[in-house]
Amino acid sequence: QVQLVESGGGVVQPGGSLRLSCAASGFTFSSYGMHWVRQAPGKGLEWVAFIRYDGSNKYYADSVKGRFTISRDNSKNTLYLQMNSLRAEDTAVYYCAKEIHGGNPDDWGQGTLVTVSS
Amino acid sequence: QTVVTQEPSFSVSPGGTVTLTCGLSSGSVSTSYYPSWYQQTPGQAPRTLIYSTNTRSSGVPDRFSGSILGNKAALTITGAQADDESDYYCVLYMGSGIRVFGGGTKLTVL
Repeated sequence: QVQLVESGGGVVQPGGSLRLSCAASGFTFSSYGMHWVRQAPGKGLEWVAFIRYDGSNKYYADSVKGRFTISRDNSKNTLYLQMNSLRAEDTAVYYCAKEIHGGNPDDWGQGTLVTVSS
Repeated sequence: QTVVTQEPSFSVSPGGTVTLTCGLSSGSVSTSYYPSWYQQTPGQAPRTLIYSTNTRSSGVPDRFSGSILGNKAALTITGAQADDESDYYCVLYMGSGIRVFGGGTKLTVL
């Protein structure tokens, strides 16, 4: 079965950087696009970024464009999110998710918490 | 900036039927937006219910169905049960690789 395990969350100061990882198993990782979605405490879901199966195209929400970079290593079955210039409003649980037909998120990881605070 | 709209809250009686909607602040939702629906309980990751408008995800009971109703995507729960009490989110594909989630609907079963 599909398994997605996020890691790399933690506490970081405003202006700092963090890299999240998502280890994938149970499916052919190199055949599927992948998403990052976040959820601030007590708030709704916010789509963050998407990368095509081969890494050829990457897409970002306006709120993170220019600060976050999505990438993948298909040889390691791992998805990444490099987060720079972090702000308090980036505090959230970050989920990785595999795409399904139509491209939207389908299978989800359990999430990793990122807290931006001084 | 287009906003995806959902009812903030809804209530249904056990055994009853409820339809949650997913619209746009400007324009109509069609199948070209590939609407998906998710269920989330506190502290848990979202669970996919419906994708591509009306296809149930694996293991989702047929009490859950998706459709386009008028100018919105819709999620209908038939025969509501106590454990359907959750937050429900829709997401739309806006083109150019961009997705936008609705603000979510808090469903109460009482």
